[in-house]
Amino acid sequence: GESVGLHLPTLSVQEGDNSIINCAYSNSASDYFIWYKQESGKGPQFIIDIRSNMDKRQGQRVTVLLNKTVKHLSLQIAATQPGDSAVYFCAEKTGANSKLTFGKGITLSVRP
Amino acid sequence: EAGVAQSPRYKIIEKRQSVAFWCNPISGHATLYWYQQILGQGPKLLIQFQNNGVVDDSQLPKDRFSAERLKGVDSTLKIQPAKLEDSAVYLCASSRPRTLGEKLFFGSGTQLSVL
Repeated sequence: GESVGLHLPTLSVQEGDNSIINCAYSNSASDYFIWYKQESGKGPQFIIDIRSNMDKRQGQRVTVLLNKTVKHLSLQIAATQPGDSAVYFCAEKTGANSKLTFGKGITLSVRP
Repeated sequence: EAGVAQSPRYKIIEKRQSVAFWCNPISGHATLYWYQQILGQGPKLLIQFQNNGVVDDSQLPKDRFSAERLKGVDSTLKIQPAKLEDSAVYLCASSRPRTLGEKLFFGSGTQLSVL
């Protein structure tokens, strides 16, 4: 089976609130993680990535947190906007020549 | 910079027919990937090229799927014969040199319906 999974299938948030999307992974040897956003009818769009030698990385309105102790990855979106509504995927990679393995995805719905 | 280009955008065929998808990666991207995305699931890697060589095709159903990247740029993915379970979105992605399997840039995909 897949080694990357998400806790919840859907997440509904109020516009302007912060969103937290969680992801669990099972392979403690994974050394690279990435979040993608996929809007309907489009391909996945890169959001942010992080290597296992880091605990936190920030981008524009987004933060990724990595907790290697409990094998947990989260994506935080500040001041969520209607344009953030999409399916979000986490993915992991184990080793230099391994492939990127995607989880099942979680739908983020932003209420106006 | 221009993104990953894919065509066609949609394709409807009957089972046992053949179909081909085309991909043009971002200029300068040495690595090209084909992913299959079944509705409601995350993308699954089918094949990965580094220039025109295959890096990983372990999940490619080789009895019916084939892919090539002859000149290290464009790529085609073919299914022959198609089955009902091949209905999915076929995504092409590319990444910069020295970032194998990392920070992939995806095209919009080809949505295949097998009837």
